[in-house]
Amino acid sequence: GESVGLHLPTLSVQEGDNSIINCAYSNSASDYFIWYKQESGKGPQFIIDIRSNMDKRQGQRVTVLLNKTVKHLSLQIAATQPGDSAVYFCAESGMLTFGGGTRLMVKP
Amino acid sequence: GAVVSQHPSRVICKSGTSVKIECRSLDFQATTMFWYRQFPKQSLMLMATSNEGSKATYEQGVEKDKFLINHASLTLSTLTVTSAHPEDSSFYICSARDREDEKLFFGSGTQLSVL
Repeated sequence: GESVGLHLPTLSVQEGDNSIINCAYSNSASDYFIWYKQESGKGPQFIIDIRSNMDKRQGQRVTVLLNKTVKHLSLQIAATQPGDSAVYFCAESGMLTFGGGTRLMVKP
Repeated sequence: GAVVSQHPSRVICKSGTSVKIECRSLDFQATTMFWYRQFPKQSLMLMATSNEGSKATYEQGVEKDKFLINHASLTLSTLTVTSAHPEDSSFYICSARDREDEKLFFGSGTQLSVL
């Protein structure tokens, strides 16, 4: 698949609030999804994954929701902290294509 | 968790020189590694997919003679930017897929600046 560089939208939240970052995917056959966090000047880090036989998975302060009907994925971060400020990407099972990503900015 | 080591983290070179970037999976075997470049405030752009022991598959618009990829072992892939020019300046990132599962792990990236 061909990836295209995209300018990133920004989500600005207040410290302590919950954040919701959304991602739409195109391949209905995708059966595995991952969310990554990328801090400035660093490589992406794995946050949480979910398989298509699930619609929700929880981690530590993070929850991923999968809606296969509308091909939509979301990442919820509870009690957002300044350290959560980063760019968040979703990836499909092929690992080759990424959602454009969202820049999360946490205001103290 | 699995670790992917990428070196160097930063390189500055003169125009016309070649630069090699290494990507190693430290505690797992990776049959497939990927190379990306990223411009400021943009998403990752896949450049090529590298399979151990075979030729890399390049994305459309990526010059294979410009960006040489070698994946000689299950733990090492290298990207060589040949005859680098200022327009090659970018952040390059590698990733490796664990052969035991589908998880993909990323290197810490290499900031290339060509003067």
